[in-house]
Amino acid sequence: NAGVTQTPKFRVLKTGQSMTLLCAQDMNHEYMYWYRQDPGMGLRLIHYSVGEGTTAKGEVPDGYNVSRLKKQNFLLGLESAAPSQTSVYFCASRGAGNQPQHFGDGTRLSIL
Amino acid sequence: AQSVAQPEDQVNVAEGNPLTVKCTYSVSGNPYLFWYVQYPNRGLQFLLKYITGDNLVKGSYGFEAEFNKSQTSFHLKKPSALVSDSALYFCAVRVSSGSARQLTFGSGTQLTVLP
Repeated sequence: NAGVTQTPKFRVLKTGQSMTLLCAQDMNHEYMYWYRQDPGMGLRLIHYSVGEGTTAKGEVPDGYNVSRLKKQNFLLGLESAAPSQTSVYFCASRGAGNQPQHFGDGTRLSIL
Repeated sequence: AQSVAQPEDQVNVAEGNPLTVKCTYSVSGNPYLFWYVQYPNRGLQFLLKYITGDNLVKGSYGFEAEFNKSQTSFHLKKPSALVSDSALYFCAVRVSSGSARQLTFGSGTQLTVLP
C-alpha cells in the first residue's frame, strides 16, 4: 500500500515564485490535512479538508491556499513564496471515527 | 483551546533501561490523546492512542502510555529501551467533538538511546 504520497520531496524556490505541493492518498479517507514542521515548534496545521470539495483554515493559513477537487488529492499552493515559508511540509489523511492520522514523508521546501 | 506540553526537548537513556517521555495537555472537554514517532527524513508514524477506558494503553514496538486525568498527563513509557528507539516523539491531543477532529501537537522530544 502506498498510503500517503507527497510530491515533490525537495524543492528550492526564489522569493516571489509560486508552486503547488501535491498530496495523494489511496485509503479512501475523508479527512486530509496540511502541516508545516519547524524546529522546536512541532507540527502546525495550515489547512484541512473534511471531504471532497471542502477546505478550511487551520492555525497558520496565511500565504497558502488549498484545493480538494478529488477525494484522493489535496493540493497546497504558495502564490508568492517568502523565506518565512522555508519549512518541511507534511500531508496527512484520516478515516472516520477515532482513527489516527496517516502521514506522508514530507516535502522539504527552501525559499531563497 | 487545546494545548500540549512536552517539557523535555531531549531525553537520553541507556539501552536496556526503562524510558519515559513526558506529555501534559490542556483541553476543554474529554481528551483524545496520541503518540507519534518520527525517524529522520520520514513522516510521523502512529504509536498509540487513548480514547476511553483503561488508563494504560499499549501500542506498537513495546511502547505504552498511561493516561492520568488528575495530572492531565499522558507519559510514554517502555520497560527496556533499544538503540533503534532513538527518534523524535510527538504527543498530540484533540477534543472528542468537532467535525475535523483537529490534532494539536507538542513540540517534540528527541529520544537518544545510548548503546
